[in-house]
Amino acid sequence: TQLLEQSPQFLSIQEGENLTVYCNSSSVFSSLQWYRQEPGEGPVLLVTVVTGGEVKKLKRLTFQFGDARKDSSLHITAAQPGDTGLYLCAGANAGGTSYGKLTFGQGTILTVHP
Amino acid sequence: DTGVSQNPRHKITKRGQNVTFRCDPISEHNRLYWYRQTLGQGPEFLTYFQNEAQLEKSRLLSDRFSAERPKGSFSTLEIQRTEQGDSAMYLCASSPKIHPAYNEQFFGPGTRLTVL
Repeated sequence: TQLLEQSPQFLSIQEGENLTVYCNSSSVFSSLQWYRQEPGEGPVLLVTVVTGGEVKKLKRLTFQFGDARKDSSLHITAAQPGDTGLYLCAGANAGGTSYGKLTFGQGTILTVHP
Repeated sequence: DTGVSQNPRHKITKRGQNVTFRCDPISEHNRLYWYRQTLGQGPEFLTYFQNEAQLEKSRLLSDRFSAERPKGSFSTLEIQRTEQGDSAMYLCASSPKIHPAYNEQFFGPGTRLTVL
């Protein structure tokens, strides 16, 4: 069974601070996606990383995929109240017949106070 | 709007009743997925269709759960004899037929099920 451990589970910070969310596994993934979810809504895809060591930037968000494709991180610079939400990492299986399945971490609830 | 749509958005039912949810994927996407999410947790995979073929089912999908995608377009998820433990958000996602390493999935707004 593939598992993704996400940390921290909760993060409460002030506007303007920086933060990092981690996503770790003992399993290799073919790709890893980061999603943001608002209460009562479905997850919205932020980014997909595929290559080991890959770094992608989306405005103030920086995503990194580990060299061994087992872990990833999300770094937010100068957080704003609009960044508040549930952040989820999800890994796609690297082989076999399970290309369809995403394995999700348990999520990080981020609250940014004005 | 060309995103994934789900109906109904909310469903309240009594224990023992049957419920059915519908998902309409993004039109050009041939892959469709169902997930279940409980409060404070990430989504858990339930099942996956490629066109009309159901290719994978999770062990979470008990005999009371059945999913169909008869024409390879919309899908339905039925839960028979609902139990209080079935209360959750049921999410549908779709993805295009591209390189499997990417497997980017686009989610609908979900159906919130409450079993009394």
